[in-house]
Amino acid sequence: DVKVTQSSRYLVKRTGEKVFLECVQDMDHENMFWYRQDPGLGLRLIYFSYDVKMKEKGDIPEGYSVSREKKERFSLILESASTNQTSMYLCASSFGLAGVGTGELFFGEGSRLTVL
Amino acid sequence: EDQVTQSPEALRLQEGESSSLNCSYTVSGLRGLFWYRQDPGKGPEFLFTLYSAGEEKEKERLKATLTKKESFLHITAPKPEDSATYLCAVQGNSNYQLIWGAGTKLIIKP
Repeated sequence: DVKVTQSSRYLVKRTGEKVFLECVQDMDHENMFWYRQDPGLGLRLIYFSYDVKMKEKGDIPEGYSVSREKKERFSLILESASTNQTSMYLCASSFGLAGVGTGELFFGEGSRLTVL
Repeated sequence: EDQVTQSPEALRLQEGESSSLNCSYTVSGLRGLFWYRQDPGKGPEFLFTLYSAGEEKEKERLKATLTKKESFLHITAPKPEDSATYLCAVQGNSNYQLIWGAGTKLIIKP
């Protein structure tokens, strides 16, 4: 079975803390994505990466950074967490070159972050 | 501006009661339209890709159709296990990133 694994299902952090969310895929996909999902809104793209050490901003990159040191691993970093970053964070991966890919994304189970 | 609107926000049906979910879109050059299913507490799971108007795809009790302005996800004789949120997304030719709708929450009562 193909798999995208997110390191933490549930996290509770305090305002100002640094938060790391990790994602690993075992499908040798070129593209990896970080989305956030909030009630009543569609998935919003934070960052994506189409190759090792490459990253592109999505629609809402402010307050976030990412790291992709190995093809299978894509990390999302919140340098100083704020309450408005309380959300469900979804990692995904897909085949394809240079971020084009297909629309068939494989998602992890999500990381629900609460910032107090 | 590329946009996706799904309706209704929520739909409650009795088991066996067929219905349709709508996904309206505006995009500059459609590359593909995608349907996903999301169960509570899980990530979305891919269902279908549609590329051009008139195309149809089927999987068990689900059938997806596409016109130049919208897509329908038809559910025939649904069962309680079809309960989930169904997400629609489009990919345009000018920006390859997916544009997502907010989803339709489908509840099938036994």
